[in-house]
Amino acid sequence: GAVVSQHPSRVICKSGTSVKIECRSLDFQATTMFWYRQFPKKSLMLMATSNEGSKATYEQGVEKDKFLINHASLTLSTLTVTSAHPEDSSFYICSARGTGELTQHFGDGTRLSIL
Amino acid sequence: AQSVAQPEDQVNVAEGNPLTVKCTYSVSGNPYLFWYVQYPNRGLQFLLKYITGDNLVKGSYGFEAEFNKSQTSFHLKKPSALVSDSALYFCAVSRSGGYQKVTFGTGTKLQVIP
Repeated sequence: GAVVSQHPSRVICKSGTSVKIECRSLDFQATTMFWYRQFPKKSLMLMATSNEGSKATYEQGVEKDKFLINHASLTLSTLTVTSAHPEDSSFYICSARGTGELTQHFGDGTRLSIL
Repeated sequence: AQSVAQPEDQVNVAEGNPLTVKCTYSVSGNPYLFWYVQYPNRGLQFLLKYITGDNLVKGSYGFEAEFNKSQTSFHLKKPSALVSDSALYFCAVSRSGGYQKVTFGTGTKLQVIP
């Protein structure tokens, strides 16, 4: 149980393109979803927390107009990287937490490469 | 502010030997503590957590961790390492009581040598 599906797994696109990443909880209702960015030296940076039906809460230093997050249902959250540039290239990982749960369940991540 | 320290960037251990991956934390009040494992180009997989009760927590794949309040540590252990255990391990902490923000450590790469 507690499977989180993240798509796409890899994206390569030109600078200036907007990219949408989907995160779905397959067998549970995700009251809260999290979006992380993982840098080459391993550390995970929390970008934002989203609760179903409400606006996402962004961490300090994360541009909300650059990284648009939508959590429209209890099983789906999307992250859209708008007008992506090479410095946005990274590994983005989502996680989801069910109602009454303390544990986060992670998707397999999306490798974003902007040329 | 809460924090997690994983003092070792990398741990090397011979197959069959016991392994330990260290984690210390800082949080106000009582902690919730977690261990996750990450394989290359994958997300994190949950291994185990400490919420309350027994200080020794058993998790997936034969891993266990011991909560030590006086030393503010939560080291991950396994009696006999497998080559397939080679991966990146993350310790995480949150404050107890409801749904608090989780802080992750910087990760420790475990290399099990055949």
